[in-house]
Amino acid sequence: SQQGEEDPQALSIQEGENATMNCSYKTSINNLQWYRQNSGRGLVHLILIRSNEREKHSGRLRVTLDTSKKSSSLLITASRAADTASYFCATADSGGGADGLTFGKGTHLIIQP
Amino acid sequence: DAGITQSPRYKITETGRQVTLMCHQTWSHSYMFWYRQDLGHGLRLIYYSAAADITDKGEVPDGYVVSRSKTENFPLTLESATRSQTSVYFCASSEPGTGFGANVLTFGAGSRLTVL
Repeated sequence: SQQGEEDPQALSIQEGENATMNCSYKTSINNLQWYRQNSGRGLVHLILIRSNEREKHSGRLRVTLDTSKKSSSLLITASRAADTASYFCATADSGGGADGLTFGKGTHLIIQP
Repeated sequence: DAGITQSPRYKITETGRQVTLMCHQTWSHSYMFWYRQDLGHGLRLIYYSAAADITDKGEVPDGYVVSRSKTENFPLTLESATRSQTSVYFCASSEPGTGFGANVLTFGAGSRLTVL
């Protein structure tokens, strides 16, 4: 079953605007990660936030985590056409180990020039 | 080339045939994974491996077999392909990060499989 659920499923904005995507999950986590997938490609890791962190920045990316609400958001500032992609949140549960990540269904982001 | 390589990138087969998707990584990562990606389902874990000769089932293992005789290779076999196994398959690898369960995955480019 899916752990993370992204919202919205699709988002279309103008270049230069900010894009916000949300992720909700169900169980306790060790960390939450965001990945990007360009059309026809594999997923690429963007950023990781640990369960004891509330906010993290990386370049134009800002991620927040609210463990009490079991939710996270990804903000991309000053969007560019190259940001057009699908974005997935993924959780590593608090059980740890080698059993990988649980992914949501993704948000498809379109940046219009 | 350094990285994680999947082959074939595209495969068309018929129902009932055996198909093997290959995955090779050059980082000597301990952990390797197979996911399938389908519209409406996102990515779902099929099998994973913590080390050579150690494999375990993920969320959707039925109809699939894996092996890991060498750290760098993690082939996925569909023993008797069915139409429901038409999908894009991604291999990934990782090392355990600092801190419990902090794995960051590196993905291959994917193998698109069509079962007729």
